[in-house]
Amino acid sequence: GQQLNQSPQSMFIQEGEDVSMNCTSSSIFNTWLWYKQDPGEGPVLLIALYKAGELTSNGRLTAQFGITRKDSFLNISASIPSDVGIYFCAGPQRANRDDKIIFGKGTRLHILP
Amino acid sequence: DAGVTQSPTHLIKTRGQQVTLRCSPKSGHDTVSWYQQALGQGPQFIFQYYEEEERQRGNFPDRFSGHQFPNYSSELNVNALLLGDSALYLCASSWGSGNSYEQYFGPGTRLTVT
Repeated sequence: GQQLNQSPQSMFIQEGEDVSMNCTSSSIFNTWLWYKQDPGEGPVLLIALYKAGELTSNGRLTAQFGITRKDSFLNISASIPSDVGIYFCAGPQRANRDDKIIFGKGTRLHILP
Repeated sequence: DAGVTQSPTHLIKTRGQQVTLRCSPKSGHDTVSWYQQALGQGPQFIFQYYEEEERQRGNFPDRFSGHQFPNYSSELNVNALLLGDSALYLCASSWGSGNSYEQYFGPGTRLTVT
């Protein structure tokens, strides 16, 4: 089945730095979703992308739907302590007539004091 | 506007036992999906309920079953618990009979099997 590969697995950055992470698949996706999960919480949807080449922002977050439809990117500008957490990409995998959402393994963002 | 709620927050069971987890969807949502998240992994889709029926299912054994009630709330049941069932179980809700990808997650139930 389809798999989503996220890189890097973890990042250690200084507060104020910009962050870039990506998600790739061997198969085409028609939708890309980016979620953030804080410790002890469920994932929260950050950005949804529906069209190849689409670039969407949500505050300091910007995500892009790759033109090959096999990848997506998430950038965070001027990181702050509350950006710490796990970032997941996700997308619908078609099964029969319906889609089920599959997730990558996540990119863990750490901010150095 | 209440978000997705799940109960209990934590649960400890022994191997072979059965467990029931509960989920109330976000107000206005009619579709509930369940996910299992092992430590250090992304959520894995278990199944989805809409109109009180299981619409689709991931690669989980029949020990995992569910139910959706007329008020759209849902239960996840796991029989004959194994140590490997220890995980965070997440419920997500969305709206519509179509493929609504914008799901809202609850805080999860942490299940520990000893």
